[in-house]
Amino acid sequence: QLQLQESGPGLVKPSESLSLTCTVSGGSMSNSDHFWAWIRQSPGKGLEWIGSIFYSGGTYYNPSLKSRVTISVHTSKNQFSLRLTSVTAADTAVYYCARDTSGYYEYWGQGTLVTVSS
Amino acid sequence: QPVLTQPPSSSASPGESARLTCTLPSDINVGSSNIYWYQQRPGSPPRFLLYYYSDSNKGQGSGVPSRFSGSKDASANTGILLISGLQSEDEADYYCMIWPSNAWVFGGGTKLTVL
Repeated sequence: QLQLQESGPGLVKPSESLSLTCTVSGGSMSNSDHFWAWIRQSPGKGLEWIGSIFYSGGTYYNPSLKSRVTISVHTSKNQFSLRLTSVTAADTAVYYCARDTSGYYEYWGQGTLVTVSS
Repeated sequence: QPVLTQPPSSSASPGESARLTCTLPSDINVGSSNIYWYQQRPGSPPRFLLYYYSDSNKGQGSGVPSRFSGSKDASANTGILLISGLQSEDEADYYCMIWPSNAWVFGGGTKLTVL
């Protein structure tokens, strides 16, 4: 059974960068059928797709966040990462990693809350 | 980014059916869109339920009961999630999602209460 687990700081200061890692277990990331995605959910609000990455490194990002987002993959560790720069309080959210099969997000991490505050 | 409109709340009694809607903006044709539906219970990540394009092009998530089904109302430019035989465990938030052009876009979600 594939499992995903997010990790990273739960508190980030405004204007700094948010960095999270997703560790995939129970299967290899090097599968041409899937992308690997980051999705967030602001407290009490809806879902927002941040971006996705292919195991070979190809990425596609939400245009609304593209200027601040970098997603990278580390297949040897079965991990992929999110970096979001110049964060503000509006970036406070639960961040999920998920396996992306063209919109079919079957496997998700449990999510990690990141709070942006000084 | 386009806005997918979902009613904030809906309610129905156990055993009844719930019809949840997702209205696309006028510049996106529901007939040309795959509509994805997700269920989210409190404290849990979303769960993929199904996608619907047409009766001949649709898919159910792993382990998702057949009482969850999708459809479209072209006249209203709307995607529909129908849940029949409502159970208490169906009480959750439901989100629709599409790929209009260059990003996955979620609707604002509908909170379904099973009375």
